[in-house]
Parts: sequence; structure tokens; C-alpha cells
Amino acid sequence: TQLLEQSPQFLSIQEGENLTVYCNSSSVFSSLQWYRQEPGEGPVLLVTVVTGGEVKKLKRLTFQFGDARKDSSLHITAAQPGDTGLYLCAGAILTSGSRLTFGEGTQLTVNP
Amino acid sequence: NAGVTQTPKFRVLKTGQSMTLLCAQDMNHEYMYWYRQDPGMGLRLIHYSVGEGTTAKGEVPDGYNVSRLKKQNFLLGLESAAPSQTSVYFCASCTPAGGSYEQYFGPGTRLTVT
Repeated sequence: TQLLEQSPQFLSIQEGENLTVYCNSSSVFSSLQWYRQEPGEGPVLLVTVVTGGEVKKLKRLTFQFGDARKDSSLHITAAQPGDTGLYLCAGAILTSGSRLTFGEGTQLTVNP
Repeated sequence: NAGVTQTPKFRVLKTGQSMTLLCAQDMNHEYMYWYRQDPGMGLRLIHYSVGEGTTAKGEVPDGYNVSRLKKQNFLLGLESAAPSQTSVYFCASCTPAGGSYEQYFGPGTRLTVT
């Protein structure tokens, strides 16, 4: 059973377009993170959200944590080819202690 | 400051062979993790450790063992490799703060079992 559902699984867009990736669960998270992974490398942390309703911005990336702390979204404005990569959400479920649960990932391709 | 390093980067094993993957971190992190990553399945937790001398099972622990004899090192062992263990293995470390577990990952080990 996948505790964290990410959608879409694949996304191919043109440079300059906007996009949103979703991360949903029936579980409540004490915190939720977004990572980006490039081929042949390990995931790299982009952001952590901990408060329900929280919005964080990182240049053209906007991250939102749901009010109930069960879901999150990543919105990219005016995507660039350098945004290409695998985006992973990961949540620390309240009852799971020190473990993170990862979503399956969204493979984003931005075409020039 | 090297962060998280993993040895080796690539390995090919025959079914039944054994090997040990080494993870080292120089950030003085308390927690360390071993994941495997397979296409379409994200990262799955194999084993983890919340401190020197302690280990715990994750989501997919069967066929693997771990040891954390030193705070900076976390070893993952395969006693008798199987083709189903062909995967990319990632080590990560963190020190939790305020309910958040911001993990730092190594570059991965690509293992093929034939």
C-alpha cells in the first residue's frame, strides 16, 4: 500500500509553461519534504513544510502544505529545461517516528 | 566536507554471492538510512539506525542486514544475493529537528545480480 500518492507520474512540457505536482495521503504528517533527483545522483532536498496551510517559495517553485497536513503541492512557474528531473515528496507520519515515507515520484521533462 | 559517501558506486554479483555496501557521513548526524530505488516504486526503506549501536527494520528488510558500529558509518550487507536485489541503493543521514527529518543522500550504488 502506497501511503503517499504522487501525480502525475510523468510530465512532459514545453519551456515557459506552468505545472503542478500533487502529493496526497490519508495520513497526517508532522512534516513534508520535496526532493529533486537528477540521473545518477541521490535526491537533494528542496524544501520542508511543517505547518498546515504553509506556503514556501523557492524562486519559481511554490510549495504548499494542506491545511490538514495530509497533502502538498509543488507549482513551477515558467518551467525551464534545467527543472528537468525526478521530483519526490516525502512525509514524516506522526506515528512512524524517525522514518520518512516517499511518494513514487514525478518525472518532469521540460523541452526547450 | 564530503557529506554522505557510498562505496562502491557499481557492483555486479552472481546469485548467492555476498557483499557489503559502506555508507559514511561527516556531518555528525544521529540517524542513518538505507533505501533501494526501483523504477516506478520510489524509495523504499530497508533498514535504519537512530544512533550508534542501534538498528531497526524498514519497509523491505528481508535479505539484508546492517550494522552501525560507529556513528559515522552504516553498513548494508547482502548475505546471499538474489536477482530481485538488483537495484540502486541510497544511503541517507539526518539529525531530526522539530519533527522534521531533512535527509542528506549519498550518490548511490548500482547493484546488478545475475
